[in-house]
Amino acid sequence: SQQGEEDPQALSIQEGENATMNCSYKTSINNLQWYRQNSGRGLVHLILIRSNEREKHSGRLRVTLDTSKKSSSLLITASRAADTASYFCATDVNNFNKFYFGSGTKLNVKP
Amino acid sequence: NAGVMQNPRHLVRRRGQEARLRCSPMKGHSHVYWYRQLPEEGLKFMVYLQKENIIDESGMPKERFSAEFPKEGPSILRIQQVVRGDSAAYFCASSPPGLGTDGYTFGSGTRLTVV
Repeated sequence: SQQGEEDPQALSIQEGENATMNCSYKTSINNLQWYRQNSGRGLVHLILIRSNEREKHSGRLRVTLDTSKKSSSLLITASRAADTASYFCATDVNNFNKFYFGSGTKLNVKP
Repeated sequence: NAGVMQNPRHLVRRRGQEARLRCSPMKGHSHVYWYRQLPEEGLKFMVYLQKENIIDESGMPKERFSAEFPKEGPSILRIQQVVRGDSAAYFCASSPPGLGTDGYTFGSGTRLTVV
């Protein structure tokens, strides 16, 4: 499979703690994206990181990319109950416009 | 800007009927993608279209499924003679050429239930 795969499959933390999710992929990429999906809803784009970038920040989100290890991580700092959702990474596999999604990490932030 | 509009939100079909799912991309976006999501799973790529062209349909089942994105009007995903296994959430996404830094914009999906 060329998909990114997230790890862990499920994560449960207390409000205020940091949450780290990982994504591994198999082939070279141009871009990697992270999305959030609330239950029963569509996906919301969080961050796009290009293969020549190592780290990007957006608010409480920090994404790293290690192309030598073919892996990425998403860190959510100071988590809130509203962060409860599934988080997916998506990789483009040498095609700028077609992305493959992993199975996601289901994050539960307990108030 | 209304974003990506999908309709209907929910669709119930009996086995053997046809399902037509519609997607209007975000204004200014000329690329449309369809994905299917089974419960508790990730999204599976189905097809990538530009206006009047199918660019990549490698994820589409060979039979019963078709997609179009006409010059005027929404993109349509059509499933003929639906079976129970077609029950899933179908998401449409759009992007401008070149993708930019904002990635895809997704619609809220159509949840198809085949009874």
